[in-house]
Amino acid sequence: AQSVTQLGSHVSVSEGALVLLRCNYSSSVPPYLFWYVQYPNQGLQLLLKYTTGATLVKGINGFEAEFKKSETSFHLTKPSAHMSDAAEYFCAVSGPYGQNFVFGPGTRLSVLP
Amino acid sequence: SQTIHQWPATLVQPVGSPLSLECTVEGTSNPNLYWYRQAAGRGLQLLFYSVGIGQISSEVPQNLSASRPQDRQFILSSKKLLLSDSGFYLCAFAPDNLYEQYFGPGTRLTVT
Repeated sequence: AQSVTQLGSHVSVSEGALVLLRCNYSSSVPPYLFWYVQYPNQGLQLLLKYTTGATLVKGINGFEAEFKKSETSFHLTKPSAHMSDAAEYFCAVSGPYGQNFVFGPGTRLSVLP
Repeated sequence: SQTIHQWPATLVQPVGSPLSLECTVEGTSNPNLYWYRQAAGRGLQLLFYSVGIGQISSEVPQNLSASRPQDRQFILSSKKLLLSDSGFYLCAFAPDNLYEQYFGPGTRLTVT
């Protein structure tokens, strides 16, 4: 079975500062990992995914995440926050082939001017 | 390209009334389909998923039901709504050859 924890239900950063959203997972099989973003009153949008291969994955809107097996982590980063990055971010894990897809509780990102 | 549609976008229903939310997918065949609920200020709760026509798995027992009458159509229903059914309902699909899920725009349901 898979599970996901996201440290910090709410993170605030200043515009232009580094964004770091934490995600740790638990999986009994090699995990597939995902980050989604949700703007108010909208559906979730896939930011990036890790399945196999390169452990540093780049996504849309300048975000990237690194899969660290030894730390069971998949933290999301962006070098410079923009006001438009303010949203809810969800980390998710699944087994190979997408089974047992599990979402984390989410982290709300606020960007301060 | 693959797209997903949900309607209605918003819905206000009285307690005890029926519910029908519809989701359709275009541009892919034999997708896995999902219904999630998101209560205010909370995360995603998986309600139902389907791997094929007529195949529905329920994750949480409640007064909701789901059906998949066609390959790319997924319907969420209730015979009698409760106040606790209020929330943001999201439909998602996973294409046959991919593992990630893609979400529709959601339906905001308010039960009064």
